[in-house]
Amino acid sequence: EAQVTQNPRYLITVTGKKLTVTCSQNMNHEYMSWYRQDPGLGLRQIYYSMNVEVTDKGDVPEGYKVSRKEKRNFPLILESPSPNQTSLYFCASSWGGQNTEAFFGQGTRLTVV
Amino acid sequence: EDQVTQSPEALRLQEGESSSLNCSYTVSGLRGLFWYRQDPGKGPEFLFTLYSAGEEKEKERLKATLTKKESFLHITAPKPEDSATYLCAVIRYRDDKIIFGKGTRLHILP
Repeated sequence: EAQVTQNPRYLITVTGKKLTVTCSQNMNHEYMSWYRQDPGLGLRQIYYSMNVEVTDKGDVPEGYKVSRKEKRNFPLILESPSPNQTSLYFCASSWGGQNTEAFFGQGTRLTVV
Repeated sequence: EDQVTQSPEALRLQEGESSSLNCSYTVSGLRGLFWYRQDPGKGPEFLFTLYSAGEEKEKERLKATLTKKESFLHITAPKPEDSATYLCAVIRYRDDKIIFGKGTRLHILP
């Protein structure tokens, strides 16, 4: 089954404790991206990757890091999480960049206290 | 400033009562417009892509249309299972930036 898998689905952490949210896709897609979704603000892009070893900033990259060492994986790293990073996070992949149909993961609900 | 505005924010309909959701956009060159459906606790699910004014696409009870300023998602004779949040997103031509609207929450009453 074609899917984008995020882990964990839920996470509560404390300010400053480094964390990683994993994302993996099994569709051999070249393009992957991360979003955060907040009430009243909609989906905002954090980072995206056009291919292995190629990443670029989206609209709200501050406080986040990503890496793309393998085509299927695109982890999101929060080196020092803060409460304003409490949000619902989605990973997505597509075969041909922003302008093609995106497949989204189930989401990771992160709470930073 | 490029932006995407969806209206209404929320809509309650009786089962079978057809209606339309609006997505108006101001963007310096449109490469494409997307509609997604999002169920509570889940990621968005792709519905349609539209690329040029006048284009229309249909899927079951849904029909998406595009003009130079806006897109409509028409829902014909909706059923309770059509209840969801519908998201619109545009891709800006010059840099492929994606801009999402805030969504319309649709609730179909049986």
